[in-house]
Amino acid sequence: NAGVTQTPKFQVLKTGQSMTLQCAQDMNHEYMSWYRQDPGMGLRLIHYSVGEGTTAKGEVPDGYNVSRLNKREFSLRLESAAPSQTSVYFCASRAKPTEKHYGYTFGSGTRLTVV
Amino acid sequence: AQSVTQPDIHITVSEGASLELRCNYSYGATPYLFWYVQSPGQGLQLLLKYFSGDTLVQGIKGFEAEFKRSQSSFNLRKPSVHWSDAAEYFCAVGASGGFKTIFGAGTRLFVKA
Repeated sequence: NAGVTQTPKFQVLKTGQSMTLQCAQDMNHEYMSWYRQDPGMGLRLIHYSVGEGTTAKGEVPDGYNVSRLNKREFSLRLESAAPSQTSVYFCASRAKPTEKHYGYTFGSGTRLTVV
Repeated sequence: AQSVTQPDIHITVSEGASLELRCNYSYGATPYLFWYVQSPGQGLQLLLKYFSGDTLVQGIKGFEAEFKRSQSSFNLRKPSVHWSDAAEYFCAVGASGGFKTIFGAGTRLFVKA
């Protein structure tokens, strides 16, 4: 099935541990983004990419790094996890604004708990 | 700067009743506007979008939304709610041709029998 695939679905980390969230899409989308979702705050943009080899900061980038090695994949890395990073993380991709199907396709999310 | 306000944290409607979810945005130019729906434990699904043209847009699952520039609003409506519509709904605004989409805090819809 076409779409956005995120792994893992659940993760528990200890404070200070590192991990990488993986995201891949098979829709040939140029744009990919990472959001975090916290109760009462909607989705906040962490980092985004407008194409292979490019990345940019969003609203809440501190404590996160990203990598866009190819068109399909966009990973999010936490180098030293903190309890404030406990959240649900979503990867999303979309076509260029000039294309007909403009609108994000979201992955099913990664629920991360940092203890 | 872009911003989105969804004034209602949660709304409860009876099955078969009509629904309107409110969304107000702040943006300097003509925005791209979206409504997404999120079922529990799932990612977000695009319901509808507005770019230009007719201010009343139709979406999936029987939803529609109306863009009112004078009120900076993009309210979501449905004539008759079904129990399966219970979910959280997010309004979002994106800049024309831009890279960032900003989401509102969401409105959780409860449907009672």
